[in-house]
This record gives sequence, C-alpha cells and structure tokens, in this order.
Amino acid sequence: EAQVTQNPRYLITVTGKKLTVTCSQNMNHEYMSWYRQDPGLGLRQIYYSMNVEVTDKGDVPEGYKVSRKEKRNFPLILESPSPNQTSLYFCASRQGTYNEQFFGPGTRLTVL
Amino acid sequence: RKEVEQDPGPFNVPEGATVAFNCTYSNSASQSFFWYRQDCRKEPKLLMSVYSSGNEDGRFTAQLNRASQYISLLIRDSKLSDSATYLCVVKTQAGTALIFGKGTTLSVSS
Repeated sequence: EAQVTQNPRYLITVTGKKLTVTCSQNMNHEYMSWYRQDPGLGLRQIYYSMNVEVTDKGDVPEGYKVSRKEKRNFPLILESPSPNQTSLYFCASRQGTYNEQFFGPGTRLTVL
Repeated sequence: RKEVEQDPGPFNVPEGATVAFNCTYSNSASQSFFWYRQDCRKEPKLLMSVYSSGNEDGRFTAQLNRASQYISLLIRDSKLSDSATYLCVVKTQAGTALIFGKGTTLSVSS
C-alpha cells in the first residue's frame, strides 16, 4: 500500500530533550516536506526537500532540523524542544510539480 | 494580504443542501490549485485539482477565475459524510511549496 508513515504518532516530552520524528514514504517520491498545524494558523511548512541531500527552509524553520540521506526518509529533529513547538506535525511527499501530495497520519507533540 | 484566504466558517447546512466555498490568492504567478479535505485530527487528503476550465467530480465542482485570483468549490446534495474542513491550496512556482489556506469548516446535519 502506497503510504507515508510517521513515528511516533503521539509524544509528550519536556523542554530541552532532543527528539526525532521519523517520516518514511514507499512511493519513491522526490519531494518531501514537514508541516505543523496549529489552531487558527493552519498548515505551515517547516522544511522541504526536493531530493536526496537537498533541503531548504519553509515558512517556520526555527528550532527544527531535517536531513535527507535516503530518498524514502525525511526525519524531523528538534534539538531543544520548547513549549511553543507543541503542535500537530505532518510529513508529506509528492512525485512531481503538479502531482498529488500525500500526507502522513500526523504526530501530536506536546512539550512541557 | 494573506497568500491564501478562506472564510473559516463554520458552515452549518442540512443534508441535501448546496454549499459553496470561496478562496482568494494573492500571488498572480500561482500555477496550480487544489482543494484538500481534512477530517478532524486526521491528515489532509486531495479532494480535487482545479483546472482553468472548471471541473466536476460527482457532487463536487471546482472553478478558477485567474483574473480575479479566486477559486471556488461547490458541493451539491450535501451528505453527513461531507462534514470536514476544506483546505484551499495554491502552488506558485514549479517545484516549490504548496500554500495552504486555513480551511473552511463544513458541518452537515440530518
């Protein structure tokens, strides 16, 4: 089944404790991205990657890192999480410019 | 002016009603347009792309007006299962990000 998977789905952590949210897609898509979704603010792009070893900042990259060492994986790293990073996070992938974007099921992160 | 603007709603309609959502975008260089649907606490999923000539998929009709920078989604004969948030999405240049509106919430009641 073609899909985007994220882990963990739910995470409660404390300020300053490094964490990684994994994202993997099995569709051989070139383009992957991370979003956060907050009430009243909608979906905002954090980082995106157009291919292996090619990443760039989205609209809200502060406090986040990403890497794209393999085509299928695009982990999101929070080196020192803070409470304002409490949010619902989505990973997404798509093949080309005009193609449908597929989203993962989301990761609900709470930083205390 | 925000890049993609939608009326947040909520739109509360009875089953069988026709409802229309509107969306405006600020960048005249926008190339691609979509409507995504998002159920509560779930991931967004593509509902339909929007083509210049307008397009229809069953009870759903999408239209684009480039001159006015305006996109619409019409839902006919609303079903309970149509209750969701509808996201207007615009892409400006090849290979770059999708810009999401904040969404319009629809609630269909029996």
